[in-house]
Amino acid sequence: AQSVTQPDIHITVSEGASLELRCNYSYGATPYLFWYVQSPGQGLQLLLKYFSGDTLVQGIKGFEAEFKRSQSSFNLRKPSVHWSDAAEYFCAVGPNSGGYQKVTFGTGTKLQVIP
Amino acid sequence: NAGVTQTPKFRVLKTGQSMTLLCAQDMNHEYMYWYRQDPGMGLRLIHYSVGEGTTAKGEVPDGYNVSRLKKQNFLLGLESAAPSQTSVYFCASRNREQASTDTQYFGPGTRLTVL
Repeated sequence: AQSVTQPDIHITVSEGASLELRCNYSYGATPYLFWYVQSPGQGLQLLLKYFSGDTLVQGIKGFEAEFKRSQSSFNLRKPSVHWSDAAEYFCAVGPNSGGYQKVTFGTGTKLQVIP
Repeated sequence: NAGVTQTPKFRVLKTGQSMTLLCAQDMNHEYMYWYRQDPGMGLRLIHYSVGEGTTAKGEVPDGYNVSRLKKQNFLLGLESAAPSQTSVYFCASRNREQASTDTQYFGPGTRLTVL
């Protein structure tokens, strides 16, 4: 069965500092991988996704993520964090196979940005 | 184009009461989902639908029922609410044509409290 682990429940960074949010997945083959962001009181919005090709994926709002098969990881990065990036971030994995795709979400990492 | 909408936004129930949450999407998506979000648990899939007239159980279906009588609507019912069903409920939809890689579009959520 597929699963996702986000080891950091809460992270605090200073505005302008770099950011890396960790995500590890478990799946028997190459999965589809996603990062979503949830602002307070809002639904989830897709930041980026990986399903094949270049292992470095660019997303919206200046975020990127790198798929590392050898480490079963899909970490999210941003070189310079803005106060508006404060939100909760969810990594998700879906199976790379035909038919219906069920996506499994991680438990989330809450990002706090301090001035 | 409103995307995914949910009704109501907030609700307080007493134990044993019933209610229905409505999800509507105007993107002509085939797939629709109901999730619940609890602190430290991420999103867990309750039920989903791969098309009009079809529904299926997700990870945590007990205590919930769903119906998809129209393609654009996905209803989540609680027949006899319990305090354990206090949660934030999210609806999402996705296009079947690119089911493997397409993003899920989320509604803004319904915050339900069961006393």
